[in-house]
Amino acid sequence: KNEVEQSPQNLTAQEGEFITINCSYSVGISALHWLQQHPGGGIVSLFMLSSGKKKHGRLIATINIQEKHSSLHITASHPRDSAVYICAVDGNTDKLIFGTGTRLQVFP
Amino acid sequence: DGGITQSPKYLFRKEGQNVTLSCEQNLNHDAMYWYRQDPGQGLRLIYYSQIVNDFQKGDIAEGYSVSREKKESFPLTVTSAQKNPTAFYLCASSRQGVWSPLHFGNGTRLTVT
Repeated sequence: KNEVEQSPQNLTAQEGEFITINCSYSVGISALHWLQQHPGGGIVSLFMLSSGKKKHGRLIATINIQEKHSSLHITASHPRDSAVYICAVDGNTDKLIFGTGTRLQVFP
Repeated sequence: DGGITQSPKYLFRKEGQNVTLSCEQNLNHDAMYWYRQDPGQGLRLIYYSQIVNDFQKGDIAEGYSVSREKKESFPLTVTSAQKNPTAFYLCASSRQGVWSPLHFGNGTRLTVT
């Protein structure tokens, strides 16, 4: 079993829909990262959090440390949100542990 | 604008040849990382460096080598000893410490035939 599991693996949505991507992990962590990988391959850091909730524009990230679970929400989704969303955890080592990603496609 | 530059974007090599992937950053970050991405798998750490002239093996270092002679540069050499080198390679950097987000380059797609 992977230490970081994401669900779903693939997600399609119509423009305007509310999107939720889930991340569960099995190790103790100091921080959790949400990343976005565009079709060209480049990766952008969206959020880094260790508790509670963070919001940036239409993106919201939450984390529940007791349940070892985080969610990434996208409100009013748009075709430009189409990307792979990756969860990664900082397990108190020098190295991040990455999930396999959730591929999101938003259709007009 | 500060960022990380990886070059080239696409690289083709014949089996048995060594190849070096470039990674340069102007973010003044101390830590730099090389990751490999394969379809259906999470990013895997090849090597990382937290300071100039020092680097550590990651989870899949066999068949790879790195150097860190300058703070800005962290080139990765894929040697002929790497059994399955065809992959997408991503370089990243961060400030030291837990609360430091990673900054990624745009990646190099290496194809070895």
